[in-house]
Amino acid sequence: EAGVAQSPRYKIIEKRQSVAFWCNPISGHATLYWYQQILGQGPKLLIQFQNNGVVDDSQLPKDRFSAERLKGVDSTLKIQPAKLEDSAVYLCASSLRFGQAQETQYFGPGTRLLVL
Amino acid sequence: AQSVTQLGSHVSVSEGALVLLRCNYSSSVPPYLFWYVQYPNQGLQLLLKYTTGATLVKGINGFEAEFKKSETSFHLTKPSAHMSDAAEYFCAVSPWGSNYQLIWGAGTKLIIKP
Repeated sequence: EAGVAQSPRYKIIEKRQSVAFWCNPISGHATLYWYQQILGQGPKLLIQFQNNGVVDDSQLPKDRFSAERLKGVDSTLKIQPAKLEDSAVYLCASSLRFGQAQETQYFGPGTRLLVL
Repeated sequence: AQSVTQLGSHVSVSEGALVLLRCNYSSSVPPYLFWYVQYPNQGLQLLLKYTTGATLVKGINGFEAEFKKSETSFHLTKPSAHMSDAAEYFCAVSPWGSNYQLIWGAGTKLIIKP
């Protein structure tokens, strides 16, 4: 089966510019996650969707970050305006079911963002 | 708050030697436990997970991990390292009542010496 797709793979922007990332989860997966991974750290959850509803966005900096999952399939994550500290890898993951703690999360290759 | 500690940001072993990557978690109730691997420029891939039952869990590529409740540990081992094992390894836990989210360790980079 096809894995989680993300684009672009790399993005370089200047601070105060805007940027958007796209994620296509594995077909049929109900839950979608966006993570931020800063170099030398583990992933940090930004937002979790179940189908097209938000389950948790408590760690999303809502003054500059936004995310949506239209029709419960693809998702986009946007940053506007970007700051230097947003330089990181943005990972998208999906899992089949919601509410199952033992569910495996399947990750995309990530988008590496550099803010200059 | 729950936390996951991985001892050693970098671990270096010789090819053919034992690999031991340490993971400890803080929780009074045993959570679900995971090890993920991240190869350079790739996404995270599940290596193995503990949910219930046998405390020794076998994963892909010859790795295994043992859940020790008394030590709140879930260390990852492989008897004989291969050059292809060079990657970053992340331990994660899914505590009860957490919206089933993962709490991640900071990762351990495994370096294999020829």
